[in-house]
Amino acid sequence: DGGITQSPKYLFRKEGQNVTLSCEQNLNHDAMYWYRQDPGQGLRLIYYSQIVNDFQKGDIAEGYSVSREKKESFPLTVTSAQKNPTAFYLCASSTTGGRQPQHFGDGTRLSIL
Amino acid sequence: SQQGEEDPQALSIQEGENATMNCSYKTSINNLQWYRQNSGRGLVHLILIRSNEREKHSGRLRVTLDTSKKSSSLLITASRAADTASYFCATAHILTGGGNKLTFGTGTQLKVEL
Repeated sequence: DGGITQSPKYLFRKEGQNVTLSCEQNLNHDAMYWYRQDPGQGLRLIYYSQIVNDFQKGDIAEGYSVSREKKESFPLTVTSAQKNPTAFYLCASSTTGGRQPQHFGDGTRLSIL
Repeated sequence: SQQGEEDPQALSIQEGENATMNCSYKTSINNLQWYRQNSGRGLVHLILIRSNEREKHSGRLRVTLDTSKKSSSLLITASRAADTASYFCATAHILTGGGNKLTFGTGTQLKVEL
């Protein structure tokens, strides 16, 4: 079955560490997105990519970095510059043709030790 | 920034009743989408309504859109316990180069009791 796989499901970070969250899709979608969700809140866009080797900042990109070396993969690095990284991180993908829904993975919950 | 505000924040109903959730937004949109999120899981797309549409149906779901009031509503008829989840509206702007930029509301937590 086609879908989006995020790993790990739970991740713990020590102060000053960078951590990388994995997102892989086999839907053949060109566009991929990273969102952050805080308790009781909606999702906020961190970064998005519409094509390999290109990506754009979303609304809350500070303290995060991404890469898009393959169509299937869009990893997110939470750097030590992100002062409040504890959150639920969701990856999504979509086609780029017109009005299209986004398909989501099951998320990674990041906590600070 | 959050584009949408949803009302109510939480809703508890009995199985078989209808559930109505409302969403208000601030700027012009290309389309508006509704998603469902079960606890600790990703979002699942429910329905998309274009800015030139006023009403759309999908199974037990009915969505309305009033662009003059910048508001939308989601009606779930004959609710079931399995409908228990958080529901989010998301306003969409088409990105140059393709895809949509979604801006999510704060969500409505629906609990359907047996």
